[in-house]
Amino acid sequence: DAGVTQSPTHLIKTRGQHVTLRCSPISGHKSVSWYQQVLGQGPQFIFQYYEKEERGRGNFPDRFSARQFPNYSSELNVNALLLGDSALYLCASSRDPRTDTQYFGPGTRLTVL
Amino acid sequence: AQRVTQPEKLLSVFKGAPVELKCNYSYSGSPELFWYVQYSRQRLQLLLRHISRESIKGFTADLNKGETSFHLKKPFAQEEDSAMYYCARARGFNTNAGKSTFGDGTTLTVKP
Repeated sequence: DAGVTQSPTHLIKTRGQHVTLRCSPISGHKSVSWYQQVLGQGPQFIFQYYEKEERGRGNFPDRFSARQFPNYSSELNVNALLLGDSALYLCASSRDPRTDTQYFGPGTRLTVL
Repeated sequence: AQRVTQPEKLLSVFKGAPVELKCNYSYSGSPELFWYVQYSRQRLQLLLRHISRESIKGFTADLNKGETSFHLKKPFAQEEDSAMYYCARARGFNTNAGKSTFGDGTTLTVKP
């Protein structure tokens, strides 16, 4: 198993644009969480999905949205990009978020110019 | 707001010396706490979690509710321990690791 995979690896956008980031969890994992990691800081929780339902949302504006598909993969969408959205976006998956370890992907590096 | 504080951004010790990475959390009930590690060019991974009370790679962490701390300790540091270490807590009153609040990390360097 390749572990959690994320695409793209990195991308560059300009202010006001929209971006979609993708995450494929480990096989058998039904929960996906998204984190934003700004340079020099720890990861900050954005969303959690479990069994295709949103189970938690961090303190992020409505420009951020996500969904989970029937195969448990997930997308994170960010509209009207701001310079401050430049960060590493991490995805983590687990079998059952209440009891299991979360496994992180390599991240997508987003740069907003 | 729930907070996790790691007061040291950088920590440097010599090989064989004891190491302690500090972590303090804002109080709310009985939190579930974790230590994550990120080695150079690798993914963030769980090192240990409070509920399992395991010792991983010689590291241990004790929850001190009175001081609201969860410091990570190892009696004899090795060069391969050089990495970034993050302390985290599950958000709210559950054990859901997938909704964690992270500290800003401590970079540990173990010198030969």
